[in-house]
Amino acid sequence: GENVEQHPSTLSVQEGDSAVIKCTYSDSASNYFPWYKQELGKRPQLIIDIRSNVGEKKDQRIAVTLNKTAKHFSLHITETQPEDSAVYFCAASSASKIIFGSGTRLSIRP
Amino acid sequence: GAVVSQHPSRVICKSGTSVKIECRSLDFQATTMFWYRQFPKQSLMLMATSNEGSKATYEQGVEKDKFLINHASLTLSTLTVTSAHPEDSSFYICSAREISRGYNEQFFGPGTRLTVL
Repeated sequence: GENVEQHPSTLSVQEGDSAVIKCTYSDSASNYFPWYKQELGKRPQLIIDIRSNVGEKKDQRIAVTLNKTAKHFSLHITETQPEDSAVYFCAASSASKIIFGSGTRLSIRP
Repeated sequence: GAVVSQHPSRVICKSGTSVKIECRSLDFQATTMFWYRQFPKQSLMLMATSNEGSKATYEQGVEKDKFLINHASLTLSTLTVTSAHPEDSSFYICSAREISRGYNEQFFGPGTRLTVL
């Protein structure tokens, strides 16, 4: 079945440094790749997304890259701040459903 | 725009009872709604996909007779957990996809925390 693998499961970076989270997907029909930030007990918040016809997208400190051939996509957060601490999920979506990665717990060290 | 509500936000029930959770798209029509379950420190696991006016499609391993889904209108889907047991305690989140959007963006409800005693 469809699968999305996400690495690392935990990530600790110094404030101001960059953080990178990587995902791979299996379903060739996936054409939309959102990234979510989730705080404890709350709904996932869309922070950035990329569609299959684009290779990269940037929004201020956040960027996402997509390699459709290799079925890889990555989230890059630059100049990390304490408020970036949260759990991040990647996802791959086809017309029928979204499949989530297993999540990355990001901690920003002061 | 694209607001999804969910009710109740929290529910505590006794083992063996049934619990109904509502998911509403407040300002758009949702062709498809999705139900997820999330256990502590885990990812969102898709339980089922519901399309208005038709039977829900359940993911492998999800019991359709235990988790009843009704998508009666373009703005409302309900999930009923029947004969709830403590192992059903979890965070249940719905999402909705808007008809007019070309891509597959989903909008999430705030979630319902179910505790079965």
